[in-house]
Amino acid sequence: DGGITQSPKYLFRKEGQNVTLSCEQNLNHDAMYWYRQDPGQGLRLIYYSQIVNDFQKGDIAEGYSVSREKKESFPLTVTSAQKNPTAFYLCASSMGGASNQPQHFGDGTRLSIL
Amino acid sequence: QQQVKQSPQSLIVQKGGIPIINCAYENTAFDYFPWYQQFPGKGPALLIAIRPDVSEKKEGRFTISFNKSAKQFSLHIMDSQPGDSATYFCAASSIAGANNLFFGTGTRLTVIP
Repeated sequence: DGGITQSPKYLFRKEGQNVTLSCEQNLNHDAMYWYRQDPGQGLRLIYYSQIVNDFQKGDIAEGYSVSREKKESFPLTVTSAQKNPTAFYLCASSMGGASNQPQHFGDGTRLSIL
Repeated sequence: QQQVKQSPQSLIVQKGGIPIINCAYENTAFDYFPWYQQFPGKGPALLIAIRPDVSEKKEGRFTISFNKSAKQFSLHIMDSQPGDSATYFCAASSIAGANNLFFGTGTRLTVIP
């Protein structure tokens, strides 16, 4: 089955700790995205990548880092610099390219502070 | 600054009713307007999308109406069912903006049996 797999489903972070959220897709999509979802605020873009080995900051990139070493993988690290990391994190992918293509989402990772 | 404004925040309708969710935008460069449906604990799923060269698009019980001059678009759900109870998000993007989606704040819909 083609789709986007996010893991883990739930994650807990201790103070001063970095944690990494996994996102894998087998849709052969070029573009991948990370969003943060907070109650009442919709989805906000953290980072995006249009192609392997390239990524750009979104609206709320501070305290986060990403890598894109493989087409199918786009992990997100929530660093200790992110002071309010508790949220629902969503990964998405799309065909990319010059024309708008629909974004398809994984089922998210819920991150909480211990 | 919210690029896409969505209302209402929540909506309750009886089964068979027609809930309407509205969105407005300012950026005239937006050229793609999708709607997503999200169930608790799940990621958003693409429901229907429209481009500004048409004023209406239907897919099953879901209809998007688009008013380019007013910079507004809305989602209508015909013959709503309890299974439609979910949070709905409108969004907008532009080719110039690298296909990055700007989301509304969501509408929680409850359909009462």
